[in-house]
Amino acid sequence: GQQLNQSPQSMFIQEGEDVSMNCTSSSIFNTWLWYKQDPGEGPVLLIALYKAGELTSNGRLTAQFGITRKDSFLNISASIPSDVGIYFCAGQLIQGAQKLVFGQGTRLTINP
Amino acid sequence: NAGVTQTPKFRVLKTGQSMTLLCAQDMNHEYMYWYRQDPGMGLRLIHYSVGEGTTAKGEVPDGYNVSRLKKQNFLLGLESAAPSQTSVYFCASSYSTRGYGYTFGSGTRLTVV
Repeated sequence: GQQLNQSPQSMFIQEGEDVSMNCTSSSIFNTWLWYKQDPGEGPVLLIALYKAGELTSNGRLTAQFGITRKDSFLNISASIPSDVGIYFCAGQLIQGAQKLVFGQGTRLTINP
Repeated sequence: NAGVTQTPKFRVLKTGQSMTLLCAQDMNHEYMYWYRQDPGMGLRLIHYSVGEGTTAKGEVPDGYNVSRLKKQNFLLGLESAAPSQTSVYFCASSYSTRGYGYTFGSGTRLTVV
């Protein structure tokens, strides 16, 4: 089946540092999404990308939809303690049931 | 404005026992999904539904059954629980139109001993 490779699996950074994570796939997707999961909660949508090459920001977060439609990256600038959590990328096909395929997640830990 | 509500939040089962996880959404979403989350493996799709009365298998359907008798509810059943089904289960729902992503519930942590 389809798989997404997300890296890195974990990051340990100092508060104020910038963060970058990415996702690659062997399949083409129509939509790329980035989610954040806090402990004990379900994933929450951060950014959705709909066109190849699209660059979208949400506050300190910036994500891009790769030109080949097989990859995406997420950057977080000037990290703060509340950025701690697990970040997931997801690829979505618009046809049919719009199933999401998730990456393995990037666990972000921030040292104050 | 509840969104997606999952019950129960925690459960411990003995091997061989059965149980049903309930997912309810109040957003009039057509599509609903059940995922399981295991360490280092992301979220994997178990079953999904594209409308009331319909269900379909996802990536890891074995050992689970589902039903969608009402549009707002999606039930996940374990007929004979196994330790390999120890996981965190998430329900999600979405509109049928172009990829706005999902709204997730807060999860059910299931332990099978």
